[in-house]
Amino acid sequence: QMTQSPSSLSASVGDRVTITCRASQSIGRTIGNYLNWYHQRPGKGPTLLLYGTTTLQSGVPSRFSGRGSGTEFTLTISGLQPEDVGTYYCHQSYSNTFGGGTRVDI
Amino acid sequence: EVRLMESGGTLVRPGGSLRLSCVASGFTFRDYWMAWVRQAPGKGLEWVANIKHDGSAQFYADSVRGRLTVSRDNGKNSLFLQLNSLRLEDTAVYFCARVDGGDRPAFAYWGQGTLVSVSS
Repeated sequence: QMTQSPSSLSASVGDRVTITCRASQSIGRTIGNYLNWYHQRPGKGPTLLLYGTTTLQSGVPSRFSGRGSGTEFTLTISGLQPEDVGTYYCHQSYSNTFGGGTRVDI
Repeated sequence: EVRLMESGGTLVRPGGSLRLSCVASGFTFRDYWMAWVRQAPGKGLEWVANIKHDGSAQFYADSVRGRLTVSRDNGKNSLFLQLNSLRLEDTAVYFCARVDGGDRPAFAYWGQGTLVSVSS
């Protein structure tokens, strides 16, 4: 199980925003390889932001970053932009479990 | 440009059946694992199924195993999801996605989704 926090947040343009994802248990291997983050705008399919905890997907702005190990992982947006609104999901691809999502508003 | 386009979603009665399709373009379809992910109205994402690049193996979420079947036709760059014995809780937007990453797998590209509504 993947638990995200907070479930929602409101921030201003330019703010630094951090979202946390916690795994309920170890899977006995390098879970970091299997930890991904997605962004979804209303009515649209999700887009991949980061994979393998820290690797930015091609075309994703560098204000997005990820870190973590063990069972705790974070997504940080350094300088929130209006186009960043939407819902963010973590995803553990070993068992294909998604976090519950974090809604970000401005 | 990678494109995935789902179709086939509609209103169906409980216990009914439906087949969803996803047509891929912009990449060599036969080289990639593919997946279905669904999202109930107002809810989060739920993985449904994966299929190997050559169709030789499929993997399912416990919630759908035995009722949903994923398949593909590499000659037609198409992915399918057969939904049988549909339940109210199967109501969702169904997305197809391309699986990238090898040892760091992720759903790298997604379609826009197709809505399946199960209601009497």
